[in-house]
Amino acid sequence: SQTIHQWPATLVQPVGSPLSLECTVEGTSNPNLYWYRQAAGRGLQLLFYSVGIGQISSEVPQNLSASRPQDRQFILSSKKLLLSDSGFYLCAWRGTGTEKLFFGSGTQLSVL
Amino acid sequence: KQEVTQIPAALSVPEGENLVLNCSFTDSAIYNLQWFRQDPGKGLTSLLLIQSSQREQTSGRLNASLDKSSGRSTLYIAASQPGDSATYLCAVMSGGSNYKLTFGKGTLLTVNP
Repeated sequence: SQTIHQWPATLVQPVGSPLSLECTVEGTSNPNLYWYRQAAGRGLQLLFYSVGIGQISSEVPQNLSASRPQDRQFILSSKKLLLSDSGFYLCAWRGTGTEKLFFGSGTQLSVL
Repeated sequence: KQEVTQIPAALSVPEGENLVLNCSFTDSAIYNLQWFRQDPGKGLTSLLLIQSSQREQTSGRLNASLDKSSGRSTLYIAASQPGDSATYLCAVMSGGSNYKLTFGKGTLLTVNP
């Protein structure tokens, strides 16, 4: 069966520090992968999506970047975090032949 | 630009009550609509997916309806239980969106024993 792993679960980082969040999917190949952010009082906002290795589309201008070095690995990064980067980050995947999205357990990021 | 609104923002009901959560969207050109459940500090769990050509979907005590022309969906929960307490999110997949979802802000449901 397919599973999605996201880590870490929580992260506290100082302003200006780098960030790397990792997401991996098991049990499927060539999934579409997504990074969403959920800020307090706001809905989920799509940050990046990827339809294949090395193919990244950015939805909103921001301080973050994403990479997909392997088929089932999706990484969210920043060189210098801002206070406004705080939020709950969710990775999701969609397999071939389905329109359902499956989400990871999320990372709560606090930038202080 | 697609916008999704969920009403009410929060709802508190006694156990056993039937309830309805509402979702509306501005652009009726959608592929599908999905309802998710989110427990505090957790990821989202897919509950129901309704294709644009469908009127409703059912899973156990949950029933979701879709009126595409009016831009509305409802999630009906029968015989609510304390374990149903969570945030319920509505999301639409719009035409030409490359399978991207637009989410509402959710309805926080509390079912009191």
